Amino acid sequence: AQTVTQSQPEMSVQEAETVTLSCTYDTSENNYYLFWYKQPPSRQMILVIRQEAYKQQNATENRFSVNFQKAAKSFSLKISDSQLGDTAMYFCAFMKHGYSGGGADGLTFGKGTHLIIQP
Amino acid sequence: GAVVSQHPSWVICKSGTSVKIECRSLDFQATTMFWYRQFPKQSLMLMATSNEGSKATYEQGVEKDKFLINHASLTLSTLTVTSAHPEDSSFYICSAIDDNSNQPQHFGDGTRLSIL
Repeated sequence: AQTVTQSQPEMSVQEAETVTLSCTYDTSENNYYLFWYKQPPSRQMILVIRQEAYKQQNATENRFSVNFQKAAKSFSLKISDSQLGDTAMYFCAFMKHGYSGGGADGLTFGKGTHLIIQP
Repeated sequence: GAVVSQHPSWVICKSGTSVKIECRSLDFQATTMFWYRQFPKQSLMLMATSNEGSKATYEQGVEKDKFLINHASLTLSTLTVTSAHPEDSSFYICSAIDDNSNQPQHFGDGTRLSIL
């Protein structure tokens, strides 16, 4: 079984600052995916970024980037130039590889980090 | 983009009734769908994996007779909470995986279930 740990229940930064959310995981799998999801008060799950474990290059999506350290089982999210709209719960999630056409596994989520961007 | 419709978005009902929640993939086929539950101020917990044409796989601690899952077509999975009680009140979210894409799970908008 996999476990995902987010050790920061809440973080608060000023608008335009850079913030890093931490995530560690434990698994015996070699092929897997890691994700960061954003959940605003509407409770909609929004995919922020994903990383395939076999790729060494860290994923980047505009202001969002990850620091993926496979050996250390660490997957942190960096948000640059933070905006008020970034205020939300952020969940780190793990999924075993191999997920189309049946036989896929569900996501294992961390407990989340409540990120507050102050004006 | 891939859209997953979940209905209803909010339901309030009396204790002892059964409630059905639908999860529909609108523009793709999904052999596999998932059901998650989220209690207030907590994370999402996987309840079960729904595969079209076969029995659902339930996570440890989830009562299969309590939470009935049917995945009769490649675009629809339903979760029925039978004889619901106040402790079943929660936020239920489904997700689906596109059979023809390498994209990850697409989430519905969730159903807030309140049992009085």
